[in-house]
Amino acid sequence: AQKITQTQPGMFVQEKEAVTLDCTYDTSDQSYGLFWYKQPSSGEMIFLIYQGSYDEQNATEGRYSLNFQKARKSANLVISASQLGDSAMYFCAMRELNQGAQKLVFGQGTRLTINP
Amino acid sequence: KAGVTQTPRYLIKTRGQQVTLSCSPISGHRSVSWYQQTPGQGLQFLFEYFSETQRNKGNFPGRFSGRQFSNSRSEMNVSTLELGDSALYLCASSWQDRSTGELFFGEGSRLTVL
Repeated sequence: AQKITQTQPGMFVQEKEAVTLDCTYDTSDQSYGLFWYKQPSSGEMIFLIYQGSYDEQNATEGRYSLNFQKARKSANLVISASQLGDSAMYFCAMRELNQGAQKLVFGQGTRLTINP
Repeated sequence: KAGVTQTPRYLIKTRGQQVTLSCSPISGHRSVSWYQQTPGQGLQFLFEYFSETQRNKGNFPGRFSGRQFSNSRSEMNVSTLELGDSALYLCASSWQDRSTGELFFGEGSRLTVL
């Protein structure tokens, strides 16, 4: 069965610093996708970044990058130059690509707080 | 383009009642999936519909059901509400792109059961 583990319940970072949010996953499939979502207090899940299991390069989207270490089954999110608006819950999720269905398995999340 | 729209945003029900939540996906998206989010259990997959057919179902009791219409709009229904059904219900839509599988979420419907 798929499983996502986020070991950091909360993180506190000074504005403009870089921050790394940890995510490890477990799956027996060779083909899968890894996602990071941001959830502000409004509740909406905002897509940040995606990494496919066969992608050779780490994904990047603006200030977000995904540090993908396949052998370690790790998919950490790196946010560079953090901003006050980055304060939110962050979820790591996985989808098995061999199945046709759009089903994501989420981790428990990390609450990130950016201090001015 | 318009995002995923969920209605109602907030609702309060009492135990034993039933509730219907609605989700309008992004135009052109054919897959709609539903998730339940609670402080204790986190985000859990409920079910997914594609072209009016349920493709996958999570581990929830039969009180939770859903359907999808020909215009891809989806509804989920919870019958005989229990206190534990209080949660944020999130709907997500996608085009069915196997290369990314990106899901776009709505803002959710926050259900409180008293």
